[in-house]
Amino acid sequence: QKEVEQDPGPLSVPEGAIVSLNCTYSNSAFQYFMWYRQYSRKGPELLMYTYSSGNKEDGRFTAQVDKSSKYISLFIRDSQPSDSATYLCAMSASPEKLVFGQGTRLTINP
Amino acid sequence: SQTIHQWPATLVQPVGSPLSLECTVEGTSNPNLYWYRQAAGRGLQLLFYSVGIGQISSEVPQNLSASRPQDRQFILSSKKLLLSDSGFYLCAWSVEGMGSYGYTFGSGTRLTVV
Repeated sequence: QKEVEQDPGPLSVPEGAIVSLNCTYSNSAFQYFMWYRQYSRKGPELLMYTYSSGNKEDGRFTAQVDKSSKYISLFIRDSQPSDSATYLCAMSASPEKLVFGQGTRLTINP
Repeated sequence: SQTIHQWPATLVQPVGSPLSLECTVEGTSNPNLYWYRQAAGRGLQLLFYSVGIGQISSEVPQNLSASRPQDRQFILSSKKLLLSDSGFYLCAWSVEGMGSYGYTFGSGTRLTVV
């Protein structure tokens, strides 16, 4: 079993829709949770960071962590074509190592 | 501000040839440095990480090696490339001891072994 599971998609939604992206994990020691966005042929960029359980909101983006279920989510409201990218979840229990999900390829259709 | 440079952007190499990819970080001291590989349709695989000059930890046994000759320089090498070495190679850095708060990635090198 992989430490982090993420549906690779692809996921295609119309512009303006609410997008829900999810990851599950097996290591209960994970305390730090992140979402990265990766445009085609580019390096990933940090989008959201959350420590332990709870919600965090930044503009149109909301990250949720449910440690009891070992489940994290990223919600995108009022999705735009510019949000089309691959979204990777990442998490860690130690400073030296992040464990990444496979990434979900998202397309927002105008 | 901190910046990370990675080159070359693309590389096509024949099987059996050597490899050297370089990564440098500016604007910070004693960063943690990482090499990742991303194969098509797959996630990021950690290859090596370094917490200091000459300190290299290997995560995956393979024909690749890494070196950190200077504080802000990280090099990924191979003596003889295999077809399976093709992929997107990413260098990343984090503040010393603060990797749990996220990494900053370079723009990547797309390596095709033919």
